[in-house]
Amino acid sequence: DAGVTQSPTHLIKTRGQQVTLRCSPKSGHDTVSWYQQALGQGPQFIFQYYEEEERQRGNFPDRFSGHQFPNYSSELNVNALLLGDSALYLCASSLEQGWKNTQYFGPGTRLTVL
Amino acid sequence: DAKTTQPPSMDCAEGRAANLPCNHSTISGNEYVYWYRQIHSQGPQYIIHGLKNNETNEMASLIITEDRKSSTLILPHATLRDTAVYYCIVSRGDDKIIFGKGTRLHILP
Repeated sequence: DAGVTQSPTHLIKTRGQQVTLRCSPKSGHDTVSWYQQALGQGPQFIFQYYEEEERQRGNFPDRFSGHQFPNYSSELNVNALLLGDSALYLCASSLEQGWKNTQYFGPGTRLTVL
Repeated sequence: DAKTTQPPSMDCAEGRAANLPCNHSTISGNEYVYWYRQIHSQGPQYIIHGLKNNETNEMASLIITEDRKSSTLILPHATLRDTAVYYCIVSRGDDKIIFGKGTRLHILP
């Protein structure tokens, strides 16, 4: 049973560029959350997708957007990259049960903005 | 802000039990206590969670006080591979996870 997978593993971009990160949830899961983890910090919640819609959003600007596909996989898009966007981007999946959902994390995508 | 308080770091000798404390005095009745750990630059790994009863799985045990204001994660026989940052989190489960700073656990050979 494959866990949460993310691609690519590493990515280098320059300021002003746009980036797309991808996530495939754990088999049987229908909810995907994205987190940003800066070096030395705990992960920060970006947003959560369920039924192809953004259900919750953290304190991130509109430059951060996402999408969930019918097969539950998800993309995170970041426009107009800033140096401060350099971080480990984590995807977590869970099964919507109303509550008591355990989120399982992928290995992350390391984004470096130069 | 995170609703939990954890010591910033702890040491434990290899082979001994590691007991990681967590305070969550403002926990709500429908919130669970979750524990995750993060080994250097990897994604957080789910360990265990509980509501009010003590829980045990193949990785660890979770002891929650009767008033639910604190808990302890127990790794029964710590190994060097258990060196990681351990996060204690309170969450309804369908909500975003708010991570605090966690406890950096060092396993000493």
